[in-house]
Amino acid sequence: AQSVAQPEDQVNVAEGNPLTVKCTYSVSGNPYLFWYVQYPNRGLQFLLKYITGDNLVKGSYGFEAEFNKSQTSFHLKKPSALVSDSALYFCAVREPGNTPLVFGKGTRLSVIA
Amino acid sequence: ETGVTQTPRHLVMGMTNKKSLKCEQHLGHNAMYWYKQSAKKPLELMFVYNFKEQTENNSVPSRFSPECPNSSHLFLHLHTLQPEDSALYLCASSLGDQETQYFGPGTRLLVL
Repeated sequence: AQSVAQPEDQVNVAEGNPLTVKCTYSVSGNPYLFWYVQYPNRGLQFLLKYITGDNLVKGSYGFEAEFNKSQTSFHLKKPSALVSDSALYFCAVREPGNTPLVFGKGTRLSVIA
Repeated sequence: ETGVTQTPRHLVMGMTNKKSLKCEQHLGHNAMYWYKQSAKKPLELMFVYNFKEQTENNSVPSRFSPECPNSSHLFLHLHTLQPEDSALYLCASSLGDQETQYFGPGTRLLVL
């Protein structure tokens, strides 16, 4: 069965600095990978996904993620963090075929001015 | 806004009450989902409907009863809930059941 791990509960970064939120996964076959963001009192918002093709995926709000098959990782990155990026970030993975989307437990990002 | 709405946004109910959560999507999607989000735990998939047919019931207690009258509407009927059922209940939809899911804002439920 597929699984996803977000090893950090909390990531703190200064405004203007680059940020990385880590995600590793385990699947049988080629993964479908997703990042979502959740702001306070809101639902999850889709940021980006990797299905196939270029390993570097660009998404909303200047975020990008790099698919690394050898390391089974899909880390979320942004070159310059904003205070408004502070939120809860979820990585999710699905195997090809009729399988459910499995979410990580989330990483809380705090960007400090 | 993602095109997925949920009502009510907040709900407080006693253990003997019966209430329903409503989800509506305006995206022309065919699949709809209920998730439970509790503090310190990953999102838990509860139910999946694809073209109005239930395709997934993730061992959810019978005190939660879903209903999908059409591809645009999804309900979660609640009865005799327990305090540990207090959580944020999220609805999502996708074009097909293997496509990207888009979430509503959630209903914050408190069971007293």
